[in-house]
Formats: sequence, structure tokens, C-alpha cells
Amino acid sequence: DTEVTQTPKHLVMGMTNKKSLKCEQHMGHRAMYWYKQKAKKPPELMFVYSYEKLSINESVPSRFSPECPNSSLLNLHLHALQPEDSALYLCASSGFRVDRYEAFFGQGTRLTVV
Amino acid sequence: ILNVEQSPQSLHVQEGDSTNFTCSFPSSNFYALHWYRWETAKSPEALFVMTLNGDEKKKGRISATLNTKEGYSYLYIKGSQPEDSATYLCAFIAGAAGNKLTFGGGTRVLVKP
Repeated sequence: DTEVTQTPKHLVMGMTNKKSLKCEQHMGHRAMYWYKQKAKKPPELMFVYSYEKLSINESVPSRFSPECPNSSLLNLHLHALQPEDSALYLCASSGFRVDRYEAFFGQGTRLTVV
Repeated sequence: ILNVEQSPQSLHVQEGDSTNFTCSFPSSNFYALHWYRWETAKSPEALFVMTLNGDEKKKGRISATLNTKEGYSYLYIKGSQPEDSATYLCAFIAGAAGNKLTFGGGTRVLVKP
């Protein structure tokens, strides 16, 4: 199984809502990532978890809160988002050594904040 | 801020023609470079992981070369087919940057039958 599964595929939320994005992989990967992609821009790294611990936070606003409950799951909790946070949110996983292993990506969650 | 650039931003290729495009990255502190293909409504899919200066990798009709000293990588598509239409992304990893992949802006390839 070489899939990274993201749910939901689409999400519309109000600025006062709380919602969560979910990501799951069963490849035994110990690095998991959240990326944000705006239209016509490259994916931008938000967070990296290595062995279930947060290893990189790219100065992401606290209204985005990542969580890695176990080695297969990655969540992104959303609260009090702004319309400019509307984007495609991609989850990825990889073997720990990125000089040896490629990343596997999910199809993303298309988020619209109204 | 790492500067990873891809050129051109887009190109149209006639079916059967060959094409190539570039990823430029900082030549200092190189650790690895990845290439991904991203088709519309699908997940980005890895093509190559490249680490050594002078590396050449091949997968079917697609190949890539790496020059870490001058900071560039080329991706080649030989005999383009409509199914090669996609956005091709390179991702640079700097040494001691952990697992941080910094993506270029992508080259969008459209192969016309």
C-alpha cells in the first residue's frame, strides 16, 4: 500500500469554526508533512513530524495546530481561520532519509474559509 | 529563504517531440534534489531522488541530470506523449535542514496530439 489518504477532500468552514484535516499512511514512514499550496504557487512547507515528534514548524500561525497521534496518522486542527487561509492542504510521508527516499503525497484537502 | 527556480513556467510540446526544462537551486549546502510529476486532480508522484554531482537517472522516457557545483538539474522527456502533460516540480533539500523539501514553482507541460 503506497497510498497517503487525506480526508476530507473538500472543506468549507466559517471563520469561527473548528475543524480537522486527517492524513493516514501505512507504509511505515517515520516522517510526515503538511504543505499548503495556493493557486499557481509551489507547495509551502508548514510542519514536519519525525518519529511522531514535531521537528519543523515553519512559523505557522497558531490557528493551525498539528498533531501526530501515532506513526500512521497526522492531523491538522483548524480554528479561527481567515479567508486567506483558503488553499489546498497536502499531506506527505517519507522514509526518514530524504537523500534516499521520495515523499508520497495525498491528493489534498481543498479548504475554503468563508 | 532558499531560492529554487524552475524554467520555463510552462511549455507546449507537440506529441513525439522531446523537451527539457531546468531547476536551479543554491549550489552551497546541497543535500538532495527530488523531482515530482503532478497531474491535475491527482497526488504529486515522485520521479527521482538525486544526490550525487553528475547523477543521471532514467525512468522510461523521462530522465534527469544533476550538477550540484553549478546548482542546476535538467529533466528531459523523450518522445512526449499526451499522458506526459503535468506540472513537474523539483524539491531541494539543504544539508542540515532536516526533512525540509523546498519546492520550485514548477514547469507546466502540455503535450498536444
